[in-house]
Amino acid sequence: KNQVEQSPQSLIILEGKNCTLQCNYTVSPFSNLRWYKQDTGRGPVSLTIMTFSENTKSNGRYTATLDADTKQSSLHITASQLSDSASYICVANDRGSTLGRLYFGRGTQLTVWP
Amino acid sequence: EADIYQTPRYLVIGTGKKITLECSQTMGHDKMYWYQQDPGMELHLIHYSYGVNSTEKGDLSSESTVSRIRTEHFPLTLESARPSHTSQYLCASSESRKGDEQFFGPGTRLTVL
Repeated sequence: KNQVEQSPQSLIILEGKNCTLQCNYTVSPFSNLRWYKQDTGRGPVSLTIMTFSENTKSNGRYTATLDADTKQSSLHITASQLSDSASYICVANDRGSTLGRLYFGRGTQLTVWP
Repeated sequence: EADIYQTPRYLVIGTGKKITLECSQTMGHDKMYWYQQDPGMELHLIHYSYGVNSTEKGDLSSESTVSRIRTEHFPLTLESARPSHTSQYLCASSESRKGDEQFFGPGTRLTVL
């Protein structure tokens, strides 16, 4: 069964601290993995996209890693800001259909305190 | 920021009413999608479209219907709303020739009393 699991479910950190969010996926055949940021009451916004041949990709203070062998990904946030408070969703894309189906995790709810 | 719009942003209605959630994109994307998301849960695909006059049902069974008469417009209709339809509905679009990266609208929060 294709699925995506994220941990932790929620996380609270102080402003300025770093954190790492985890994602395990079982999607096959695997095409790419995406991390989205979803603010409360808004739609998800893409942070990074990595294909199976990429190990790391950065977008400002966000750095995603991918290990296609172990089917694990992480999102590292550096020097957190209050505006980083949001749900971070891991999404795996299969290549077994013309639609390019996306499989969504439930997200990690990050809260940054001043 | 993606040019994809949804209206209304919030809707509270009574049981039995017919509603239409609007979704429009100005990016000329060929594919469009509707997702349903409950609080703290993952997004579930309920409808998608490859292009004009193409509509398909997604993974999650839904009593809603969709239409794609124009490339930029992908409305979702519920003929008779029920409390079980209370949820957030997210519209997205993507372009096949650009890797199918999906861009999401802001969502419609629907509450059926």
